[in-house]
Amino acid sequence: AQSVAQPEDQVNVAEGNPLTVKCTYSVSGNPYLFWYVQYPNRGLQFLLKYITGDNLVKGSYGFEAEFNKSQTSFHLKKPSALVSDSALYFCAVRDRQAGTALIFGKGTTLSVSS
Amino acid sequence: GAVVSQHPSRVICKSGTSVKIECRSLDFQATTMFWYRQFPKQSLMLMATSNEGSKATYEQGVEKDKFLINHASLTLSTLTVTSAHPEDSSFYICSAKRTGGVYNEQFFGPGTRLTVL
Repeated sequence: AQSVAQPEDQVNVAEGNPLTVKCTYSVSGNPYLFWYVQYPNRGLQFLLKYITGDNLVKGSYGFEAEFNKSQTSFHLKKPSALVSDSALYFCAVRDRQAGTALIFGKGTTLSVSS
Repeated sequence: GAVVSQHPSRVICKSGTSVKIECRSLDFQATTMFWYRQFPKQSLMLMATSNEGSKATYEQGVEKDKFLINHASLTLSTLTVTSAHPEDSSFYICSAKRTGGVYNEQFFGPGTRLTVL
């Protein structure tokens, strides 16, 4: 069975500092990996995805993530955090078969202080 | 492009009534749509997979007679919460998989906040 783990409920970082939100996954085969962000009472906004190719994926709003197959990780990173980055972040995985749904991690709340 | 809408965005109803939530793909066709449920400060839990023209596939523990799903066209799926109770209060989010799209990418709606009194 597929699963996604986000080990941290909350990450606190000062504005201007680098941030990392961790994600590890457990799937059979090679999955598609995603990061989404959710602001209060809003739907999900897509940040980035890993499909194939370069392990370092660049996405929206300056975020990037590195796919590490040996560690089965897909950590989200940003070199310099902004207060406006404060939100709930979800890592998700999907099987490469067509028609399958995304499986989400529990989410990590990012809090950026000024 | 690739916009998914949900209607209503927020609904308050009395216990025992039924509520219908619509999910529309506005500028693409979606053979498959997914319905998720999110409790406060928790993750999205997949409820069911909705396929156009066929019966929905429900996840374990989701009552199909309570959460009726209809995917009547390539751009519309509906979720009806029948005989709603306060424990059904939640944030319901749909996503649509673009037919023939690159890597079968999914696009999410903005969500519907259901409050059952």
